[in-house]
Amino acid sequence: SQKIEQNSEALNIQEGKTATLTCNYTNYSPAYLQWYRQDPGRGPVFLLLIRENEKEKRKERLKVTFDTTLKQSLFHITASQPADSATYLCALDTGGGNKLTFGTGTQLKVEL
Amino acid sequence: NAGVTQTPKFQVLKTGQSMTLQCAQDMNHNSMYWYRQDPGMGLRLIYYSASEGTTDKGEVPNGYNVSRLNKREFSLRLESAAPSQTSVYFCASSESQGDEKLFFGSGTQLSVL
Repeated sequence: SQKIEQNSEALNIQEGKTATLTCNYTNYSPAYLQWYRQDPGRGPVFLLLIRENEKEKRKERLKVTFDTTLKQSLFHITASQPADSATYLCALDTGGGNKLTFGTGTQLKVEL
Repeated sequence: NAGVTQTPKFQVLKTGQSMTLQCAQDMNHNSMYWYRQDPGMGLRLIYYSASEGTTDKGEVPNGYNVSRLNKREFSLRLESAAPSQTSVYFCASSESQGDEKLFFGSGTQLSVL
């Protein structure tokens, strides 16, 4: 069956460290992958999009990699801050027409 | 600039009652979507509208109907609510279909007793 897996356990890291979140998928061949941030009681907010022919994308302290052979995307936040604490969702193009399929998300907690 | 506005924010229904969730966007986007979010399940697409005048089923359309009233508005209707429809509902929009980012509303928390 088609599946998108993100760590269900919360990731706790210290302020200033790099947070790395993982998104693994099976039985898909997505043309692109997106990452969103979701705060409690709010809707997801778009962060980055990476296409299948791109290995890496950066935006300020954020970096996303996309390995179509491993069927995996890694999401990095460098110099993490308590304000980065949130749930991060990956989403894959799974049928064209921007029909995204979302992972369940990983909760990140950045501690002082 | 309000973005995507959903109403109501909270709603409690009894089994069998009907209601309509409203969604409006002010970004002149062509495509609109309805998702539901349940613990441990992630966001699941209920229905989407690629453009004004068109609607299509997503992953979990049973028990729901939608109307793309105009380019700005996309409503979701529960004709006979069931406890299994207890969830948080999100409306989203994008400029078009394709590799476009989604803009989400703040959600409607619905409880069906």
